[in-house]
Amino acid sequence: EAGVVQSPRYKIIEKKQPVAFWCNPISGHNTLYWYLQNLGQGPELLIRYENEEAVDDSQLPKDRFSAERLKGVDSTLKIQPAELGDSAVYLCASSLGLAEVETQYFGPGTRLLVL
Amino acid sequence: GIQVEQSPPDLILQEGANSTLRCNFSDSVNNLQWFHQNPWGQLINLFYIPSGTKQNGRLSATTVATERYSLLYISSSQTTDSGVYFCAVSSARQLTFGSGTQLTVLP
Repeated sequence: EAGVVQSPRYKIIEKKQPVAFWCNPISGHNTLYWYLQNLGQGPELLIRYENEEAVDDSQLPKDRFSAERLKGVDSTLKIQPAELGDSAVYLCASSLGLAEVETQYFGPGTRLLVL
Repeated sequence: GIQVEQSPPDLILQEGANSTLRCNFSDSVNNLQWFHQNPWGQLINLFYIPSGTKQNGRLSATTVATERYSLLYISSSQTTDSGVYFCAVSSARQLTFGSGTQLTVLP
């Protein structure tokens, strides 16, 4: 069974440019998460989707970040415009979405460098 | 929110040695996972262990929920065990991660 797929794996952009990351969760997983991981730290949740509904986006900086999960499968995370401080790893994870507490499975991440 | 503390922050071992990593958390949780982040950045699930003890090969984990801590044991360490080990907890669906233990296993 395929794991969580993310693309691109690496992205280098100049500040003020837009950037988008794509995630395809494990087949059959209803819950999708986007995490941000800064160097030397653990991941921090940005947004959680239950099917196509964003049910927890309290940590998402809405002035420049946006996300969508059309049709409740793939998801896209966008930053516009990017700032130097956005350089980090963006991780996508998914879980079945059948229970309140479940194992989360992570993708390989997208490494963003903003110059 | 829940606070998660991991110790030690860094650990250097000789191949073949055993080690114990600790995770303390500040509140009751019903989800605790241990992850290994390899040098390429992939987070690999090791254990889902909100309570009790589990073993998988050279790795085992114990969570004492009433005392709010979990331990990850690595026996007969190998160079491929190198990387960062994260503990993550939640009382609902949002996982809160600790800052990790950077493990380096020397040949």
